[in-house]
Amino acid sequence: GESVGLHLPTLSVQEGDNSIINCAYSNSASDYFIWYKQESGKGPQFIIDIRSNMDKRQGQRVTVLLNKTVKHLSLQIAATQPGDSAVYFCAESRSRDDKIIFGKGTRLHILP
Amino acid sequence: NAGVTQTPKFQVLKTGQSMTLQCAQDMNHEYMSWYRQDPGMGLRLIHYSVGAGITDQGEVPNGYNVSRSTTEDFPLRLLSAAPSQTSVYFCASSLLGKGGGKSYEQYFGPGTRLTVT
Repeated sequence: GESVGLHLPTLSVQEGDNSIINCAYSNSASDYFIWYKQESGKGPQFIIDIRSNMDKRQGQRVTVLLNKTVKHLSLQIAATQPGDSAVYFCAESRSRDDKIIFGKGTRLHILP
Repeated sequence: NAGVTQTPKFQVLKTGQSMTLQCAQDMNHEYMSWYRQDPGMGLRLIHYSVGAGITDQGEVPNGYNVSRSTTEDFPLRLLSAAPSQTSVYFCASSLLGKGGGKSYEQYFGPGTRLTVT
């Protein structure tokens, strides 16, 4: 897979490869980080979240890594499938009870 | 559960008209929020609420009002529509993380596509 930052809007990955989507955040007070997937014509769908006291969390085929030192968050998708084709957003919040602010998003394109 | 419902799905307004976008959830979620999404862009937070009677501004609140009289409903009012408010509007809800251990999963509605001419 190829890693890109959010300044590159599209990531193209071969089906079956791993995808890595990166996100930089600026608010050092952020305590919660969330990844969402948005398919065309639909609302965003929660994928996984991570709290700032963790540096890694795994879900089904997905792993989120958090590096607080450089304010960097990544989403790894294992064995990318056609159904993973979507726009992926990272979001952050200062606490579980505070507003959730979205980043700009990365489009994941799956090559056959 | 119906989840998060939004009405209408589509709406066309003339500049200066007012209208209310409806949002309802049946999951007893404390947290509700409104976002707008412009073409090829991310979601920008308009207003949010952490419970009935409590609302607060997000990133782009100007031109919009909200109220939260019940846990279930969180309507968004456009006071005097402008072409710059042409967008897709999403409502979302989630539990608050009181006591920890709960996922931060936020459920989104299907969206309202608004065009202001």
